[in-house]
Amino acid sequence: KQEVTQIPAALSVPEGENLVLNCSFTDSAIYNLQWFRQDPGKGLTSLLLIQSSQREQTSGRLNASLDKSSGRSTLYIAASQPGDSATYLCAVNSNSGYALNFGKGTSLLVTP
Amino acid sequence: NAGVTQTPKFRVLKTGQSMTLLCAQDMNHEYMYWYRQDPGMGLRLIHYSVGEGTTAKGEVPDGYNVSRLKKQNFLLGLESAAPSQTSVYFCASSNSFAGEQYFGPGTRLTVT
Repeated sequence: KQEVTQIPAALSVPEGENLVLNCSFTDSAIYNLQWFRQDPGKGLTSLLLIQSSQREQTSGRLNASLDKSSGRSTLYIAASQPGDSATYLCAVNSNSGYALNFGKGTSLLVTP
Repeated sequence: NAGVTQTPKFRVLKTGQSMTLLCAQDMNHEYMYWYRQDPGMGLRLIHYSVGEGTTAKGEVPDGYNVSRLKKQNFLLGLESAAPSQTSVYFCASSNSFAGEQYFGPGTRLTVT
């Protein structure tokens, strides 16, 4: 069974810092990996999708990398802002291709 | 486009009562999914559908039934609610096999 782990579970940084969130998964036979943002009491917003054949994807201040062979992905956030405060979830699409296997998330707080 | 919408947003049930959660998407997506999110457990797939008239079991299907009579709607039913079904329920959709999944805002269900 695919296990997805996110480290750290919580992170607090001052505004303006660059930061990295980590995601690891146990089975490298994946179709893709998706990063989401979840604000308290809200739904999930898709940030980036990386196909298994890709090494990285970028959107604005966000950059996600994928090393499928080692079972790792990172989400890099440049020049963090208080509005980036949220929980970030990593999810891999593997096995049947239907279910996303989610990590438990990294709770990020960016202080002014 | 509204994307993925869910009704109701909140609901409180007594043990043994039944209810139906409605998910609707206006993106003409073929695939739809129901997940539940519990503290410390992450999101887990309950049921999914690969097209109108089809349904399939996910990781945690017991106690739930689903129907996909129309392409744009995916219904999740609880026939006899139990306290263990207290959770936040998310619906998602995608336009292809292993495609990017888009999530609704969630339904917070409490069973007393």
